[in-house]
Amino acid sequence: GESVGLHLPTLSVQEGDNSIINCAYSNSASDYFIWYKQESGKGPQFIIDIRSNMDKRQGQRVTVLLNKTVKHLSLQIAATQPGDSAVYFCAESYNTDKLIFGTGTRLQVFP
Amino acid sequence: DTGVSQDPRHKITKRGQNVTFRCDPISEHNRLYWYRQTLGQGPEFLTYFQNEAQLEKSRLLSDRFSAERPKGSFSTLEIQRTEQGDSAMYLCASSPTWSGNTIYFGEGSWLTVV
Repeated sequence: GESVGLHLPTLSVQEGDNSIINCAYSNSASDYFIWYKQESGKGPQFIIDIRSNMDKRQGQRVTVLLNKTVKHLSLQIAATQPGDSAVYFCAESYNTDKLIFGTGTRLQVFP
Repeated sequence: DTGVSQDPRHKITKRGQNVTFRCDPISEHNRLYWYRQTLGQGPEFLTYFQNEAQLEKSRLLSDRFSAERPKGSFSTLEIQRTEQGDSAMYLCASSPTWSGNTIYFGEGSWLTVV
């Protein structure tokens, strides 16, 4: 069924530390995954994506890890900055179908 | 700015009134999506278009909701006889089909039904 978030877990990190945001996805057949960042009052902003034939992908200061065995996705942000404070969503899709979003995580960065 | 554009950004309406939102996707993007998001939750899929064809509608999309994309470019989402439960942010997104499923969102249209 559709995946929706009812509660928003929060991760608090100190500026400069690395952040790890986790996501459990629902469909074992999903073959494409995306992380989005959403700031208050704005639309989701694309961060990084990964296909199911990969288990790791790196971008600028971000890394996504995919563990298909346990249906787990993580987003690692290196040297977290105040501007990284936002809600982060993972999303999955299967066979070019629509994206289904998971539960968001609020990242709070303090000095 | 060549991103996804949505209008209006905010709308306050009385219960029972009709509202219409417009979305202009990124140029040459074949796919256009509508999502709904309420506070503290992730976006929920409503419907999507491939060019002018509406390919899928969520069961969340009641008969009071209708979406169109008549020329395969911009799209409209109309809500008839609005209810307080329709209060949410309505997100539009688009993607070029050749890039897989990376979809790019607009800033959303906030609807408040009073």
